[in-house]
Amino acid sequence: GQSLEQPSEVTAVEGAIVQINCTYQTSGFYGLSWYQQHDGGAPTFLSYNALDGLEETGRFSSFLSRSDSYGYLLLQELQMKDSASYFCAVRDRYNQGGKLIFGQGTELSVKP
Amino acid sequence: ETGVTQSPTHLIKTRGQQVTLRCSSQSGHNTVSWYQQALGQGPQFIFQYYREEENGRGNFPPRFSGLQFPNYSSELNVNALELDDSALYLCASSFRTGDSPLHFGNGTRLTVT
Repeated sequence: GQSLEQPSEVTAVEGAIVQINCTYQTSGFYGLSWYQQHDGGAPTFLSYNALDGLEETGRFSSFLSRSDSYGYLLLQELQMKDSASYFCAVRDRYNQGGKLIFGQGTELSVKP
Repeated sequence: ETGVTQSPTHLIKTRGQQVTLRCSSQSGHNTVSWYQQALGQGPQFIFQYYREEENGRGNFPPRFSGLQFPNYSSELNVNALELDDSALYLCASSFRTGDSPLHFGNGTRLTVT
């Protein structure tokens, strides 16, 4: 079967750093993405890794190790507005750009 | 650049009824996909459309069907509604290949009673 595993909840304080891990088991692999979703809102794209290594976009970084079927999202200098659900997602076929397999999501709570 | 818009935002239906949800894709995108998101879960892929044809389907029964129109707008139709169909239905537009990210609409919250 195809599955993505990520922690269900993470709590951190403002200004801290938090890492959300994701392990995946899929029939094919064409990249790991991360999406953020605030309560009742649309998921929004954060980052994408097709190759091993670290991708940095402002306060957010994402890492991928294809040999370990593992990735993580790193959020630095946490702000209250970062409280949201974070989903990792895998594209398992190249010619189906609209299809992603999502994890169950990690609910991040940022405390003052 | 116009984003992805969905209508209606909320809908209440009775078991056994049929529903049609609508989506207008982001301009320039050629692929539209639909997802079902139950409370506290990640989005689950229903199907995607490319050039008005279904191009990939998830593990959903045939009573879930769709259409994509020449202007890349799309509909999701669900027949014979069941209580378990209550969920947030998300539409996303993108390009068909490569590392194109999905651009989601705000979704339609469907409640089946």
